[in-house]
Amino acid sequence: NAGVMQNPRHLVRRRGQEARLRCSPMKGHSHVYWYRQLPEEGLKFMVYLQKENIIDESGMPKERFSAEFPKEGPSILRIQQVVRGDSAAYFCASSPRGPIYEQYFGPGTRLTVT
Amino acid sequence: TQLLEQSPQFLSIQEGENLTVYCNSSSVFSSLQWYRQEPGEGPVLLVTVVTGGEVKKLKRLTFQFGDARKDSSLHITAAQPGDTGLYLCAGAPGTASKLTFGTGTRLQVTL
Repeated sequence: NAGVMQNPRHLVRRRGQEARLRCSPMKGHSHVYWYRQLPEEGLKFMVYLQKENIIDESGMPKERFSAEFPKEGPSILRIQQVVRGDSAAYFCASSPRGPIYEQYFGPGTRLTVT
Repeated sequence: TQLLEQSPQFLSIQEGENLTVYCNSSSVFSSLQWYRQEPGEGPVLLVTVVTGGEVKKLKRLTFQFGDARKDSSLHITAAQPGDTGLYLCAGAPGTASKLTFGTGTRLQVTL
């Protein structure tokens, strides 16, 4: 049973470009979460989605960031007009139950904005 | 204000030593989870503790949930270099609808 998959593992973007991060949850998991981790810091919740629905986006910056989890295909975290401060590791997690239970993480996408 | 405070923040020990990592809060949690994250990778779930006073063992790792369900500890016996990593506790306090992660303890085990 494959784990949570994320791609790309590394992404380099120039300031002003768009970054698209993809996440495929574990088979049978319908709950997907995105977290951001800055160097030497902990995990910060960004957004919680179920198929075709955003359940909680309280941790997502109001501008430039959006997320989706379509009926078919992976979940996408999109960052428009990236700035240097967006450089971080972005982790996706999935779970078979709701958001207060065990979550299974992908290997992350390391975004570098130059 | 951090809901989950972990201590110590950093720990460097030699192979064979024992250590304890603490995860503390003023809030009550229905359950707490422990994860280990190695450099360049995502966190990996180690254990979930649910019942106040519960003790769970995973080989050389012993996890305990406080009686009041406000704190937890992780004890590692005879640490090995493979235990090196960032240890994170996580839980949903009270009626919260999402996980909060602790501040993390970065462990380095040297030969």
